[in-house]
Amino acid sequence: DIQMTQSPSTLSASVGDRVTITCRASQSISTSLAWYQQKPGKAPNLLIYKASVLQSGVPSRFSGSGSGTEFTLTISSLQPDDFATYYCQQFYTYWTFGQGTKVEIK
Amino acid sequence: QITLKESGPTLVKPTQTLTLTCTFSGFSLSTSGLGVTWIRQPPGKALEWLALIYWNDNKPYSPSLQSRLTITKDTSKNQVVLTMTNMDPVDTATYYCGRRGASGSFVDYWGQGTLVTVSS
Repeated sequence: DIQMTQSPSTLSASVGDRVTITCRASQSISTSLAWYQQKPGKAPNLLIYKASVLQSGVPSRFSGSGSGTEFTLTISSLQPDDFATYYCQQFYTYWTFGQGTKVEIK
Repeated sequence: QITLKESGPTLVKPTQTLTLTCTFSGFSLSTSGLGVTWIRQPPGKALEWLALIYWNDNKPYSPSLQSRLTITKDTSKNQVVLTMTNMDPVDTATYYCGRRGASGSFVDYWGQGTLVTVSS
């Protein structure tokens, strides 16, 4: 099974900060990676797919990069609506999610 | 407009079989490349993928849960059904269905989720 490890588990930041979340795969997954945002009590929302493709309707302050085993999600200027939990998901072999990164207010 | 909605029991007893239905609209599961998947999330924990059914009836399952899961589709009714046998309290979770879009194996549309509690 492919394991996905996100870091950090929790991130404290302020509005306007540049935020980076890392996701590492236990083996190479090429660019078979998606990122989701989830707010409490809600279903996740797709942000990025194929490691760097921005889903339609997602603000351009979100970006993704990486290939192989290391990936990043960057929020260029954190907005109040961005405080949430973020998950990565690999779809190279079956599907696996990371454990999540909670972005909280500093 | 694409929508998905999960339905099923909110409470099941240990050892029972859970049957969940995903009813969707705005797309057809006979369209090449599309699929419907089930994902769950225990309270306060991470997402866990369970199963996926493709337009061509291919059905990958989570290797760790494969022996307990069955996924089927009724294209005419726009429904996908997931059954999970031998339920245990650790299976308490919100169960989501979602659409696997044509662009790749990720969820581009999600249902609202349904909380299933396993307790005697």
